[in-house]
Amino acid sequence: QSALTQPPSVSGSPGQSVTISCTGTSSDVGAYDRVSWYQQAPGTGPRLIIYEVSDRPSGVPDRFFGSKSGNTASLTIAGLQAEDEGDYYCSSYTTSSTLWVFGGGTKLTVL
Amino acid sequence: QVTLKESGPVLVKPTETLTLTCAVSGFSLSHPRLGVSWIRQPPGKAMEWLARISSTDERSYSTSLRSRVAISKDTSKGQVVLIMTNMDPVDTGTYYCARVLYYAFDYWGQGLPVTVSS
Repeated sequence: QSALTQPPSVSGSPGQSVTISCTGTSSDVGAYDRVSWYQQAPGTGPRLIIYEVSDRPSGVPDRFFGSKSGNTASLTIAGLQAEDEGDYYCSSYTTSSTLWVFGGGTKLTVL
Repeated sequence: QVTLKESGPVLVKPTETLTLTCAVSGFSLSHPRLGVSWIRQPPGKAMEWLARISSTDERSYSTSLRSRVAISKDTSKGQVVLIMTNMDPVDTGTYYCARVLYYAFDYWGQGLPVTVSS
């Protein structure tokens, strides 16, 4: 099972919005609404910010929005803040015995 | 408060067997909706899911690593163990354990960097 495809980097100014894409196949992203997104700061484990395409765990600001169309999922961060800087990873449950696949990660820079 | 913490050797030699332990707290490994997975990240590469153990002791493995990996748990101790045999330098990376809630990983450990080198 190949990794999901994410852009290596995105950037935006404070207050702007950015969108990170996550492209998979009909065997993962396109198969189920079981895409999740994770935020990772240096030296720490990832933090879940979106699950089942668009749901947010408690404590995650509603500035984080997830969506999906076909084999591509997207994470949009509105009203960028300096604290949003970090690496973002998508993951999808799959139809294969390799139950989950991940994207390569996207580094978000707040200018 | 839910926490997970990985422990084990940070340096192993090629062909050796790696044994990693994930100590969990704040939840029970027998909770019906929860499981624990191991995930690794080689330097500069995508994360890779390795294995999962469910509350009912159902075990699932990555297809590519199935022959080398085993996952188990001790519910009374709150520990999940990953064993990976025949280690190779390509297995170098940071190894994470994470709690599985349905189809997402809702809590992660801080990660354990493992280097495979002679």
